Amino acid sequence: AQSVTQLDSQVPVFEEAPVELRCNYSSSVSVYLFWYVQYPNQGLQLLLKYLSGSTLVKGINGFEAEFNKSQTSFHLRKPSVHISDTAEYFCAVSRVAGNQFYFGTGTSLTVIP
Amino acid sequence: DVKVTQSSRYLVKRTGEKVFLECVQDMDHENMFWYRQDPGLGLRLIYFSYDVKMKEKGDIPEGYSVSREKKERFSLILESASTNQTSMYLCASSFSTGANYEQYFGPGTRLTVT
Repeated sequence: AQSVTQLDSQVPVFEEAPVELRCNYSSSVSVYLFWYVQYPNQGLQLLLKYLSGSTLVKGINGFEAEFNKSQTSFHLRKPSVHISDTAEYFCAVSRVAGNQFYFGTGTSLTVIP
Repeated sequence: DVKVTQSSRYLVKRTGEKVFLECVQDMDHENMFWYRQDPGLGLRLIYFSYDVKMKEKGDIPEGYSVSREKKERFSLILESASTNQTSMYLCASSFSTGANYEQYFGPGTRLTVT
């Protein structure tokens, strides 16, 4: 079975500072990895995904993530955050041969002016 | 643009009522999913469907049923609503494979059962 751990439930950060949101997964098979963002009272929107190829993945809104197979991690980073980045962020994993996604419990990012 | 629409953004129902939540997608996706989202618990899968008339139980199917009579539509049914089913319900859809493999989400339905 797959599982996803988001190590920080809340991350406060000052505007224009860098941020890293951590995600670790466990799986005995090859996986695809995803980061989603959720703004208040909305559905989830894809930030970026890793399916294959380069382990450094760039997404929307200046976010990027690096797939580290040996450490089973897929941490999300942004070099300089804006107020508008305040939201809930979810990491998810899916087996390469599967249809189901497994989500972490989310990290609430608050950007402080 | 992929669109996943849900029939209601907000819904208030009474205990014991039968509740229908509808989800429609316009991208010819094979897979459709129903999740509930609660603070601190993330997204929990209720049911998913990988084809018309096919369904699979997720992690928390108790108290729910689903119906998929057409490829674009996936309905979640609460046979007899209870207060512990007050939650945000999210529908999603996806292809089974390929470069566009990801889940696309609807805006959510916030259900309150009183």
